[in-house]
Amino acid sequence: AQSVTQLGSHVSVSEGALVLLRCNYSSSVPPYLFWYVQYPNQGLQLLLKYTTGATLVKGINGFEAEFKKSETSFHLTKPSAHMSDAAEYFCAVSLSNAGKSTFGDGTTLTVKP
Amino acid sequence: DAGVIQSPRHEVTEMGQEVTLRCKPISGHNSLFWYRQTMMRGLELLIYFNNNVPIDDSGMPEDRFSAKMPNASFSTLKIQPSEPRDSAVYFCASSLAIHRGVGTEAFFGQGTRLTVV
Repeated sequence: AQSVTQLGSHVSVSEGALVLLRCNYSSSVPPYLFWYVQYPNQGLQLLLKYTTGATLVKGINGFEAEFKKSETSFHLTKPSAHMSDAAEYFCAVSLSNAGKSTFGDGTTLTVKP
Repeated sequence: DAGVIQSPRHEVTEMGQEVTLRCKPISGHNSLFWYRQTMMRGLELLIYFNNNVPIDDSGMPEDRFSAKMPNASFSTLKIQPSEPRDSAVYFCASSLAIHRGVGTEAFFGQGTRLTVV
């Protein structure tokens, strides 16, 4: 079985500041890891994913995440926040088929001008 | 491709009525998923299909919920009878599952916001 913990249900940063959204997972086998973003009244959209290979993964909109097996973490970062980054972000873990994922509770990102 | 298409986008119904939510997955995808999102419970997987066959329905809350996938391009989620606690946003997602070694992402529809009064 797998599980996901997102630390912090709400994160607030100033425009231009570093964005750091935390995700820890538990999995009995090497996982596939995903970050999704959800804008108001929209479905979830994939930001980036880790399956195998390079542990630093780059995604859309300037986001990236690093898979750290020793820490069982997959934190999402962006060097400089933009107002348009305000949304809810979900970390997810899957053992095989990506759709059958276990999602975290989500982190709402607020970007202050 | 137009992406995953769900209908209706919004549904308001009275308690006790039957509700049918519809989903058209992305052409060529072989896996389809129904999720429910609420403030209290977050995002929950209700059921998923692979090659039109239900693989795991352990997330379906109770017998009032049923899902079908008669062909590769259409699926329905039915609630009969509906109750106020079923109010939520229901998402359909599809993906292409090739084999164990390939982790393909899920593509989500826009969701159906269901309100049962």
